[in-house]
Amino acid sequence: KNQVEQSPQSLIILEGKNCTLQCNYTVSPFSNLRWYKQDTGRGPVSLTIMTFSENTKSNGRYTATLDADTKQSSLHITASQLSDSASYICVVSDRGSTLGRLYFGRGTQLTVWP
Amino acid sequence: EADIYQTPRYLVIGTGKKITLECSQTMGHDKMYWYQQDPGMELHLIHYSYGVNSTEKGDLSSESTVSRIRTEHFPLTLESARPSHTSQYLCASSEGLTGNFSYEQYFGPGTRLTVT
Repeated sequence: KNQVEQSPQSLIILEGKNCTLQCNYTVSPFSNLRWYKQDTGRGPVSLTIMTFSENTKSNGRYTATLDADTKQSSLHITASQLSDSASYICVVSDRGSTLGRLYFGRGTQLTVWP
Repeated sequence: EADIYQTPRYLVIGTGKKITLECSQTMGHDKMYWYQQDPGMELHLIHYSYGVNSTEKGDLSSESTVSRIRTEHFPLTLESARPSHTSQYLCASSEGLTGNFSYEQYFGPGTRLTVT
């Protein structure tokens, strides 16, 4: 069964600290993996997208890694800011025979305290 | 920021009412999607469209219906709302070949629906 599991479910950190969010998936055949940021009451916004051949990608203070062999990804946030408080969703796309699909994790709810 | 819009942003209605959630995009994308999301849960695909006059049901069974008469417009309708329909509804669009979900999906801000 194709699944995307994220951990931790929630995380509280102090402003200025770093944190790492985890994503494990069983989606096969794999096409790409994306990290989205979803602010409360808003739609998800893409942070990074990685294909099979990419093992790291950065977007400002966000750095995503991908290990396609172990089917794991992480999102590292550096020098956190209050505006980083949001849900971070890992999304994996497959490349099935006629219809690739997106598989969503439940997200990690990050809260940054001053 | 993506040019995809949803109205209303918030809606509180009574049981049995008919409602239409609007979604429009100005990017010329052929593919559009509707997702349902409950608090703390993953997004579930309920409808998608490859283009004008094309609509398909998604993974999650839904009593809602959709239409795609124009490329930029993908409304979702509930003929008779019930409390079980209370949820957040997110619309998205993407480029890409028919049958391929691998392209970037751009999401609207969502509609928070509450049925009393």
